[in-house]
Amino acid sequence: GEDVEQSLFLSVREGDSSVINCTYTDSSSTYLYWYKQEPGAGLQLLTYIFSNMDMKQDQRLTVLLNKKDKHLSLRIADTQTGDSAIYFCAERQTGANNLFFGTGTRLTVIP
Amino acid sequence: ETGVTQTPRHLVMGMTNKKSLKCEQHLGHNAMYWYKQSAKKPLELMFVYNFKEQTENNSVPSRFSPECPNSSHLFLHLHTLQPEDSALYLCASSHWTGGNTGELFFGEGSRLTVL
Repeated sequence: GEDVEQSLFLSVREGDSSVINCTYTDSSSTYLYWYKQEPGAGLQLLTYIFSNMDMKQDQRLTVLLNKKDKHLSLRIADTQTGDSAIYFCAERQTGANNLFFGTGTRLTVIP
Repeated sequence: ETGVTQTPRHLVMGMTNKKSLKCEQHLGHNAMYWYKQSAKKPLELMFVYNFKEQTENNSVPSRFSPECPNSSHLFLHLHTLQPEDSALYLCASSHWTGGNTGELFFGEGSRLTVL
């Protein structure tokens, strides 16, 4: 079955870059997503990348996809305390509407 | 405003109680989902409804019973739960089509504690 893995915790200092990594097993994944969950809230879509792309940039966010290694990363430049949250990686197979999520990575930004 | 509203936000129940979680979406979507979020585990997909029809039941125990009376409302009926069912239950909605990005919009969740 589908398996999406992430490390559970990451701490960075304010102003540094954060890199959150994710690996997945399903080679038929079409879209890969990054969601953010702030305390007491649901998940919010941050960005997504189609499987035929290897990079996508959106302001402070850079998504890198290595399809050969089935590795996805999210880089947050100039990390701020407001970026402290849980970040979920998710993948969707071709023709499916269900998303499969990882465990989430709790990012803590130290002032 | 999230567009997807879940009630109650917090629920404490005993193992013999019967309760329900409610989800309502105002986004004009036609697919709705229940996910279970437990600490240190991946989000678990429980049920999917497309145009009120259940299209996926991810081996969920029968003590969880979903109901989707229309495309805007989704319920999760709870009966004789176990303490390990304590978790955050997230509702989501989306358009149902294989051609778009499949973005899910989530509610804020219902935090369930089973004593």
